Amino acid sequence: EVQLVESGGGLVKPGGSLRLSCAASGFTFSSYTMNWVRQAPGKGLEWVSSISSSSNFIYYADSVKGRFTISRDNAKNSLYLQMNSLRAGDTAMYYCARDPEVVVTATIDYWGQGTLVTVSS
Amino acid sequence: DIQMTQSPSSLSASVGDRVTITCRASQGISNYLAWFQQKPGKAPKSLIYATSSLQSGVPSKFSGSGSGTDFTLTISSLQPEDFATYYCQQYNTYPYTFGQGTKLEIK
Repeated sequence: EVQLVESGGGLVKPGGSLRLSCAASGFTFSSYTMNWVRQAPGKGLEWVSSISSSSNFIYYADSVKGRFTISRDNAKNSLYLQMNSLRAGDTAMYYCARDPEVVVTATIDYWGQGTLVTVSS
Repeated sequence: DIQMTQSPSSLSASVGDRVTITCRASQGISNYLAWFQQKPGKAPKSLIYATSSLQSGVPSKFSGSGSGTDFTLTISSLQPEDFATYYCQQYNTYPYTFGQGTKLEIK
């Protein structure tokens, strides 16, 4: 069974940092592109960042570029999001989501349950 | 960035109805269009990729069509569990972008 379990969310002050983790199981993690997608309270979905299976290709939304860093450890079946210089606008549920890279026409097929990040003084 | 616009933003329908949600891209995205369902307090669920291909385990009551800039999601024979918010997403070009969502409510 595919499982994606996020952790690391919490309350942080503006300007602070947080590192999110996503533990993957039930599939060959090293074969998938992984994504972070967020959702502010009561709002829609916003794609944040993607990292290819071997970390060769990394992309960010303009809203987080220069502040957030996505990374992965295929040996540990884990995905990370280092978030620095956090702002109130970064308050959201952060979802980890997998993308079957080998299928060119495919996109996100499984999502984690999310971890909540609240940026407030 | 490619803008995705869904219509309507909300929709009321009855159990047993057939409904269609539209998604328009600000520029051509070939067939790189996905649909997701989200229920309150839950993570999104993937329904459709490549415009019309069902994700594993998704019932055939869900169908998608379109190409280029105009796409539709059709749900036939609505059941209580289908009432949720639906999002389209383009993945032709980074940054990936989502529509604003369509909330499907029970009439």
